[in-house]
Amino acid sequence: NAGVTQTPKFQVLKTGQSMTLQCAQDMNHEYMSWYRQDPGMGLRLIHYSVGAGITDQGEVPNGYNVSRSTTEDFPLRLLSAAPSQTSVYFCASIEGVNTEAFFGQGTRLTVV
Amino acid sequence: SQQGEEDPQALSIQEGENATMNCSYKTSINNLQWYRQNSGRGLVHLILIRSNEREKHSGRLRVTLDTSKKSSSLLITASRAADTASYFCGIQGAQKLVFGQGTRLTINP
Repeated sequence: NAGVTQTPKFQVLKTGQSMTLQCAQDMNHEYMSWYRQDPGMGLRLIHYSVGAGITDQGEVPNGYNVSRSTTEDFPLRLLSAAPSQTSVYFCASIEGVNTEAFFGQGTRLTVV
Repeated sequence: SQQGEEDPQALSIQEGENATMNCSYKTSINNLQWYRQNSGRGLVHLILIRSNEREKHSGRLRVTLDTSKKSSSLLITASRAADTASYFCGIQGAQKLVFGQGTRLTINP
């Protein structure tokens, strides 16, 4: 099993550009989440999903969109990149309540 | 704002000593989970304690949970250089999992 796969690993964007960060899991987990981690900080929840077709906002959703058309994939879209979105982005999947989360290796995004 | 707060923010100890870090939270929970992160890599799960449990052990790790005080502690015994990392508590309510800012642990040889 590959677990949770994030692509790309690194990305540089210009202010105003849009892009999609990909996240895929092969564990048939219902729950998937996106987090951002700024230097020296913890993880802040952007959006999460409890199943295909169901998404909800986390702590810092502004400037990001998500969709969950399949159980396996949970892409994160930046609509119009801003320097404040420079961060490391982590995707996680969870089988359900009271189970551990599995994390991808992260996408390091720089917006110039 | 994050719903979990770790204390201390940074901890430096000698190899072989015990390390204790704490997590406080504000909401009701289904469980509390501890994770380790090495140098900007993804988080790795250490231990999960359910809201109806008070203590769990896993190897050199001991976790306690006090739901009346909304707090948890992680004890690492007989620390090793390889334990140097950031440690995060994750709080899971009905659905989402949120994290605190973490404790940066440094083990000195």
